[in-house]
Amino acid sequence: EVQLVESGGGLVQPGGSLRLSCATSGFTFSDHYMDWVRQAPGKGLEWVGRSRNKVNSYTTEYVASVKGRFTISRDNSKELLYLQMDSLKTEDTAVYYCTLIGGAQYGGATVSSFWGQGTLVTVSP
Amino acid sequence: DIVMTQSPDSLAVSLGERATINCRSIQSVLSSSNNKNYLAWYQQKPGQPPKLLIYWASTRESGVPDRFSGSGSGTDFTLTISSLQAEDAATYYCQQYYSYIHTFGQGTKLEIK
Repeated sequence: EVQLVESGGGLVQPGGSLRLSCATSGFTFSDHYMDWVRQAPGKGLEWVGRSRNKVNSYTTEYVASVKGRFTISRDNSKELLYLQMDSLKTEDTAVYYCTLIGGAQYGGATVSSFWGQGTLVTVSP
Repeated sequence: DIVMTQSPDSLAVSLGERATINCRSIQSVLSSSNNKNYLAWYQQKPGQPPKLLIYWASTRESGVPDRFSGSGSGTDFTLTISSLQAEDAATYYCQQYYSYIHTFGQGTKLEIK
């Protein structure tokens, strides 16, 4: 059974840093792309970034609003996905979801086939 | 980035009736190499993470009831719920995965009338 469990959220001041973790199980972590998606309170979904799989050298992509401030990484031995968030702004306040991307059964569709429950990050003075 | 726009922002439909949600992309998400539309639909209920419903514009995720269907091509897409059930009250999002940056629509809130 696939499990994704995010942690590390909390209250941080503007300009501060926070590292989110996503503990994964139930699938071969290195074989899959993983995404971070966020949702500001009462708002819609925003795709934040991606970590590709081993075959694609774990390369990353980011939405423009976080590029240069956020970094996605992995610990493959522990099957953990990370989101390092630096220079945080009030507009980064959101629930952050870790998502599992597709798989062979999706025919190459890079969609978020499974979502964690999310962790809340609040950026406030 | 590819901007996705959904309509309406909200709607109320009676039980057993049809619900239709539209999604438009600023540029085509149809690939000429495989003739597939890189468009997905998600359902989110209050207090829960989103759930994948449909990908490739019309392929239902395993376990999704067949009252949910997706259609459209290029820049215009539709999610249809053929006979609305109480448990379908939720917010629905479209997402394109054609570009590296996978943008979402703003969401459509579906309520039971």
